[in-house]
Amino acid sequence: DAGVIQSPRHEVTEMGQEVTLRCKPISGHDYLFWYRQTMMRGLELLIYFNNNVPIDDSGMPEDRFSAKMPNASFSTLKIQPSEPRDSAVYFCACSQSWNTEAFFGQGTRLTVV
Amino acid sequence: GNSVTQMEGPVTLSEEAFLTINCTYTATGYPSLFWYVQYPGEGLQLLLKATKADDKGSNKGFEATYRKETTSFHLEKGSVQVSDSAVYFCALNTGFQKLVFGTGTRLLVSP
Repeated sequence: DAGVIQSPRHEVTEMGQEVTLRCKPISGHDYLFWYRQTMMRGLELLIYFNNNVPIDDSGMPEDRFSAKMPNASFSTLKIQPSEPRDSAVYFCACSQSWNTEAFFGQGTRLTVV
Repeated sequence: GNSVTQMEGPVTLSEEAFLTINCTYTATGYPSLFWYVQYPGEGLQLLLKATKADDKGSNKGFEATYRKETTSFHLEKGSVQVSDSAVYFCALNTGFQKLVFGTGTRLLVSP
């Protein structure tokens, strides 16, 4: 398995533009997580899914952020409109079940100018 | 609520020195405990884990013991290498599939 695949690896966009981050989890992993990492706030859990259903989105910072998982092999995190303070590295991760490790993608570095 | 506290970094060591990175936690129930490592430009990777009290997780020369009485899971390595330079995250999971991470500790190892 190729692991968790995220795209793009780097994204530079102008303030106000829509940004879509993509994630392909490991096959058979029923849990999918979106994290955001910044120097100031560290690693924050934004939202997670179980069997494609959003379970907890309490970490999503505001309505500008939305996430979907239309099927077991694909998820998106969308920011519309983007702002400079959204600049961060966004990680997708997945796991098989309770008590098992989470596997992380290599992240998408987002810069909003 | 559940939380993880790690020592602040950076931790700066010479090659072959002994490493300890402290981690303590607060949790309801009986969490599983993890150490993740993040190398520059990469995502987090599981380094080791322990699922119950007194378990010792180990990998690549790193060790950590789940101490329920002190609510700790300190990371140790007897002899660090330059290639160990990375950021180390302590984390817990109480069964609701929400990994709670510490703030991370940067380790810098010089030759």
